[in-house]
Amino acid sequence: EIVLTQSPGTLSLSPGEGGTLSCRASQSVISGRLAWYQQKPGQAPRLLIYGASTRATGIPDRFSGSGSGTDFTLTITRLEPEDFAVYYCHHYDTSFTFGPGTKVDIK
Amino acid sequence: QVQLVESGGGLVKPGGSLRLSCAASGFTLSDYYMSWIRQAPGKGLEWVSYISSSGTTIYYADSVKGRFTISRDNAKNSMYLQMSSLRAEDTAVYYCAREPGGSLSWDYWGQGTLVTVSS
Repeated sequence: EIVLTQSPGTLSLSPGEGGTLSCRASQSVISGRLAWYQQKPGQAPRLLIYGASTRATGIPDRFSGSGSGTDFTLTITRLEPEDFAVYYCHHYDTSFTFGPGTKVDIK
Repeated sequence: QVQLVESGGGLVKPGGSLRLSCAASGFTLSDYYMSWIRQAPGKGLEWVSYISSSGTTIYYADSVKGRFTISRDNAKNSMYLQMSSLRAEDTAVYYCAREPGGSLSWDYWGQGTLVTVSS
């Protein structure tokens, strides 16, 4: 079973700054099966990126995904106040697996 | 607009049963694969179960296999999760989510329903 590890656990940033979130798989995965979700307190997760790099409908272009093999990245440029949230990577292999999440909070 | 609304959560004793429902509107349920995903209080996301658009293919997480049963009624635009032999560790918010065919990601989620297993 593939295990996803996310780093850092918490990323402290100021509005307007950019940040990079990492998702590492325990073995090489198919990029088309890697997705990123954003979750704010008390809300359901929201799909940001699927297929490792394709933005979901309505997602602003300050969010971008990249990577292949075992290493994947979600990059957020020019953080807006509404971007402070927890971000999860997700992969499907023989099962659906989530990473533990990265919390992006206000510095 | 697309909406998924879960219901049926509540407080249940260990060993008890509960049936969750997910009502879909704003789209044709039969066009989509569906899943249940849960989140224990203060914890991360855990996928629970998946059902194909026709209901012929079903998967479960090992943690619920043999205790939970997923089903759907496309004519009623609804999906269900029958949960039995509930344990304290099943306590969580349960979300239903839709997957556009083959995308292996969930583009719409419900608001969730809380299941609390406690004596």
